Amino acid sequence: NAGVTQTPKFQVLKTGQSMTLQCAQDMNHEYMSWYRQDPGMGLRLIHYSVGAGITDQGEVPNGYNVSRSTTEDFPLRLLSAAPSQTSVYFCASSYSSPNTDTQYFGPGTRLTVL
Amino acid sequence: AQSVTQLDSHVSVSEGTPVLLRCNYSSSYSPSLFWYVQHPNKGLQLLLKYTSAATLVKGINGFEAEFKKSETSFHLTKPSAHMSDAAEYFCVVIAGMKTSYDKVIFGPGTSLSVIP
Repeated sequence: NAGVTQTPKFQVLKTGQSMTLQCAQDMNHEYMSWYRQDPGMGLRLIHYSVGAGITDQGEVPNGYNVSRSTTEDFPLRLLSAAPSQTSVYFCASSYSSPNTDTQYFGPGTRLTVL
Repeated sequence: AQSVTQLDSHVSVSEGTPVLLRCNYSSSYSPSLFWYVQHPNKGLQLLLKYTSAATLVKGINGFEAEFKKSETSFHLTKPSAHMSDAAEYFCVVIAGMKTSYDKVIFGPGTSLSVIP
């Protein structure tokens, strides 16, 4: 199993540009989520999904959209990039609720917005 | 309100000496508690978790943590540090009402350095 994969690994955008961060998992996990990691702040939840067709907002959802058309994929869309979105983005998945189950993290995407 | 405090932003130990990484939490509900480790330029990996079973939890690579409700603490320990333990460590509290993601709180992290 490849686990959780993310593409791209690095990305530089100009302010106002849009892009999609890709996340895929091959473990048949129902629960998937996106976090951003900023220095000194730990990880913060952006959006999450508890199954195909079901998404919801996390702690910091503004400026981001998600969809979940399949169990495997959970892309994160930046609608109009801003410098405040410069961060490292992690996708995670788990078979059942992260209240009790292990979350598996991808390697991350490092995004810089100029 | 729910919060996580990692009392040290950076800890430095000598190889072969004990490791103590401190975590305190506050939660209105019975929480699940986790420790994750992040090696440089890598994703996060679960070290151990507490989900209301035994209060002393053993994890991978010789790490363990003890849940102390009276002290609202979940400190991570290891008897003898190894060079490969150098990484960032995150304490995580999860206590949801409606769904499992309702209250996912990561601590700010503790950077562990191991001196040869």
